Amino acid sequence: GEDVEQSLFLSVREGDSSVINCTYTDSSSTYLYWYKQEPGAGLQLLTYIFSNMDMKQDQRLTVLLNKKDKHLSLRIADTQTGDSAIYFCAEINGGATNKLIFGTGTLLAVQP
Amino acid sequence: EAGVVQSPRYKIIEKKQPVAFWCNPISGHNTLYWYRQNLGQGPELLIRYENEEAVDDSQLPKDRFSAERLKGVDSTLKIQPAELGDSAVYLCASYRGSGANVLTFGAGSRLTVL
Repeated sequence: GEDVEQSLFLSVREGDSSVINCTYTDSSSTYLYWYKQEPGAGLQLLTYIFSNMDMKQDQRLTVLLNKKDKHLSLRIADTQTGDSAIYFCAEINGGATNKLIFGTGTLLAVQP
Repeated sequence: EAGVVQSPRYKIIEKKQPVAFWCNPISGHNTLYWYRQNLGQGPELLIRYENEEAVDDSQLPKDRFSAERLKGVDSTLKIQPAELGDSAVYLCASYRGSGANVLTFGAGSRLTVL
């Protein structure tokens, strides 16, 4: 079945780059997503990438996709204290199930 | 655009009591999802609606959970009776049905069962 895994915790200093990693098992994934969740809030879509792309850049965010290794990463440049949150990787196969499968989330702590 | 609206935001009940959560999706979004998020975990799908039809409810514990979306707009998720293990955040999301499958989530309803 589908499975999405992430490391649990990442700590960086303000101004540094953060890299959050994700691995997934479903080779038929059509889109992969990064969501951000702040305490007590719902999930906010940060960015997504289509499976035939290997990179997408959006301001401070860079997404890298290695489809062969089923590895997705999110790089946040110039990390700020406001970036502290839980980041979820998610994948969807767009087929009959059209179901979004989430990872367990990575808690990003940004130290001032 | 108002976003996905959920209520109540917080609910505390004793076990064996019933509880209901309400969701109003973004206008024009035909697909509606209910997810459950346990503490320290990612959201897990409970049920997905295409208009008023439940097209994926394989993860919904049907002995105590029920959901409806009668007119293909608002949806209600009910638990009766609630158990201690049902304590979680219940998230509603909607999607217009085309494009990059981008789901928009509501703020969630946090349930605590005592």
